[in-house]
Amino acid sequence: GAGVSQSPSNKVTEKGKDVELRCDPISGHTALYWYRQSLGQGLEFLIYFQGNSAPDKSGLPSDRFSAERTGGSVSTLTIQRTQQEDSAVYLCASSLATELYNEQFFGPGTRLTVL
Amino acid sequence: GESVGLHLPTLSVQEGDNSIINCAYSNSASDYFIWYKQESGKGPQFIIDIRSNMDKRQGQRVTVLLNKTVKHLSLQIAATQPGDSAVYFCAEKPGGATNKLIFGTGTLLAVQP
Repeated sequence: GAGVSQSPSNKVTEKGKDVELRCDPISGHTALYWYRQSLGQGLEFLIYFQGNSAPDKSGLPSDRFSAERTGGSVSTLTIQRTQQEDSAVYLCASSLATELYNEQFFGPGTRLTVL
Repeated sequence: GESVGLHLPTLSVQEGDNSIINCAYSNSASDYFIWYKQESGKGPQFIIDIRSNMDKRQGQRVTVLLNKTVKHLSLQIAATQPGDSAVYFCAEKPGGATNKLIFGTGTLLAVQP
């Protein structure tokens, strides 16, 4: 079946503009995660959605970052008033999120460049 | 401009040799651990996982070892192949209700033919 898809694959924007990044998880996966990966670095957790529960936003770096998940499926990560330090690859993952089994399947990412 | 260099630990091995990639994790309460492989321009790909009640798990050509005493995780790849060249990340799931993962900084595995 189809894996996690993300769009756009690349986004170049100017400092101060808002951007929206989209994630389509694997059908039936109840959990959805956003991570950020800066050049040559590991993945930094941003936000996690699980079913109808309140999202875990503990990784969002500032109030310029927000995310929503509509209908328990597609998610959008929004960055307002982008800054150059926001440049990174933004990765989305989804999982079945049963109690112990937590294999997260990752999409290819969106490479964001803020000029 | 771009950063100079990746500053990733690098492991260089000959094709056919065994590889061992190490990871120190941070949280003694973490209850689940995963190794991911990331090729250039792609998202991380699951390799193998292990729960905290185990100390060893084997897959196809890969073995994960967990030492909770020293909070150390290792990935062993048998008969390393050029296709194994990638960045390898360990990830830990903190104990409790959350399913978020905390990732290490990664190790670049370079397989020489």
